[in-house]
Parts: sequence; C-alpha cells; structure tokens
Amino acid sequence: QVQLVQSGAEVKKPGASVRLSCQASGYTFINHYIHWVRQAPGQGLEWLGIINPNGGDTTYAQKFQDRVIMTRDTSTSTVHMELTSLRSDDTAVYYCARAGQWQVLYHWGQGALVTVSS
Amino acid sequence: DIHLTQSPSFLSASVGDRVTITCRSSQGISNYLAWYQQKPGKAPNLLIYAASVLESGVPSRFSGSGSGTDFTLTISSLQPEDFATYFCQQLTAYPSRPVTFGQGTRLDIK
Repeated sequence: QVQLVQSGAEVKKPGASVRLSCQASGYTFINHYIHWVRQAPGQGLEWLGIINPNGGDTTYAQKFQDRVIMTRDTSTSTVHMELTSLRSDDTAVYYCARAGQWQVLYHWGQGALVTVSS
Repeated sequence: DIHLTQSPSFLSASVGDRVTITCRSSQGISNYLAWYQQKPGKAPNLLIYAASVLESGVPSRFSGSGSGTDFTLTISSLQPEDFATYFCQQLTAYPSRPVTFGQGTRLDIK
C-alpha cells in the first residue's frame, strides 16, 4: 500500500534551517507529484509547494519563494524540503502528501513537528 | 490567487443531526474542489474530490455538491467519529499553480 514516512521532530533556533524528508513506498515514485503542507498549532492548512519527482521541477508558494527548497532522490524514493531563516511562526507540523489527478491529496505522511524557539 | 472561505468556522451538533458546511471560492473553479477530514494529531484524510465524488471507503452519509463558486459538504446523520475539522481545497489541472485551502470548520459535539 502507499506509504509516506516522514523524518522526525526537529527543534531549531531562529535563523537556522531545517531539512525534512519524506520517503515514499508502495507505488512508482516518479509517477506522482509530492506536495508539502504545514499546519501551525490550532491553525489551518498552508501550502508550501510541490515537486515533480520525475525531473525535480518545483513550484513554491510565493510566501516561501525565498526560503524553501524541495529536492528529490529517486534512488531512495525520498523527497526533501528545506526551510531556511526560520522564525518562531514557522513552528508547525509539516506534512508531505502524494497527489493524484487534479492535485487531489490522496495520501499523507504522518507529519513532522518543527519547533522554532530560542 | 484563489481564496476559499468556509462557513461556519465552528459548528456544534448532536449525534444524528444533519450538518452542512459551505466553501465559497473567490473565483469560479468549476468542480475543482476536494474536502478533507482531520482529527486531532492526525493528517487530513480525503473525503470527496471533484466536488461530489466520494473517495473509496468513505461512508455514504458524506456527500458533496456545488460548482463554480459555491460548494457544500453534507453529513446526513452525524456519528460520534465525525466530530473533527473539515477543510476544502481548490484542485487544479495544472501542477504549477498554487494550491489553496479553506480555513477549516471545526465540528464539535453539542
């Protein structure tokens, strides 16, 4: 079955960077886009961007354009998301999600809590 | 970018009630809309896509309707496991376009 397994929780200081991973299994990795979505405590869902594992093309939300980098490693079926210049309001659970047609998010990772605190 | 507004933001209801949640788009999006359910501490779970297509395994008490700018998610008879937060998402045929979510509707037990 389709699984997305994310790396664990992180605690970072303001100004630092965080790199999260999302390892896919149960399907052909290059056939489905991967999205990153975050959720601050008690808040809604916020889209960060998308990566095409087939070629590595990316599109980022304008808000994160200067701070986010998404990459993929086809040898391990893993997508990485790096967020730089962290601030306290970046504290959130970060999810990866596999998209189907029309970017419907059929499968989600378990989430990774990133805490930014001095 | 397209903006999605859900209403209400909070809703209290009882087991057995029929409830409706609305999602309004700032621009017409045809039937390019999905609904997700999220329980505390868990990732969102797909309920409905293409505005009205029920995802496999989702109980038939859930239904979706709408097109253009106005969409609804209806739960015909609330069950205890339905108390959760619900989000709408704008879908797109173009992966290079931004994805947007509604702000969410929290459904609590009355």
